[in-house]
Amino acid sequence: GEDVEQSLFLSVREGDSSVINCTYTDSSSTYLYWYKQEPGAGLQLLTYIFSNMDMKQDQRLTVLLNKKDKHLSLRIADTQTGDSAIYFCAEIPSGTYKYIFGTGTRLKVLA
Amino acid sequence: DTEVTQTPKHLVMGMTNKKSLKCEQHMGHRAMYWYKQKAKKPPELMFVYSYEKLSINESVPSRFSPECPNSSLLNLHLHALQPEDSALYLCASSQGGSAGGMGETQYFGPGTRLLVL
Repeated sequence: GEDVEQSLFLSVREGDSSVINCTYTDSSSTYLYWYKQEPGAGLQLLTYIFSNMDMKQDQRLTVLLNKKDKHLSLRIADTQTGDSAIYFCAEIPSGTYKYIFGTGTRLKVLA
Repeated sequence: DTEVTQTPKHLVMGMTNKKSLKCEQHMGHRAMYWYKQKAKKPPELMFVYSYEKLSINESVPSRFSPECPNSSLLNLHLHALQPEDSALYLCASSQGGSAGGMGETQYFGPGTRLLVL
């Protein structure tokens, strides 16, 4: 099937690291994305990784890709209350315009 | 500038009304998208326009009618909607280059929250 799986909920304390996981489905996907959605808002592109990379770091964000297991993760260092949101991973199988979104992980940051 | 704008921000309409949602981008992108998002769910693709031509219609009911008047604008015309059509409607755009390549990174607008009574 086309289900891209994410855990539904994650709760962390302010200042701790958060790790959000995603298991995707299509090995042909060239790019994999992480989007953030705050309540009532659109999707904000956070970062992406090219499929021939293992890791990408962008300030507080670290993306890890295990292509063999089709596993993608997003680590947020020094998590802040402003990071509370829903995080979606997404892939685009080769030859299509169509994103396949993950189910979304709701991150709650406790002060 | 990676901004996609959408108007209105909120819309309440009756089942017999006709209304339109608008989306605009000035990034020179040639692909534009409409998505529907229900609460706590990922967005669902409705339509894709590529170079101002409709390229994908995900079996959307005819009460939703998209229009792309030019490369910067995308409209979604609504008529005779049902209460189950209440949702957040998101517009997105991408460069419109080779499918599956970097050009297909999508940038989203803030959405229009639609309530059908």
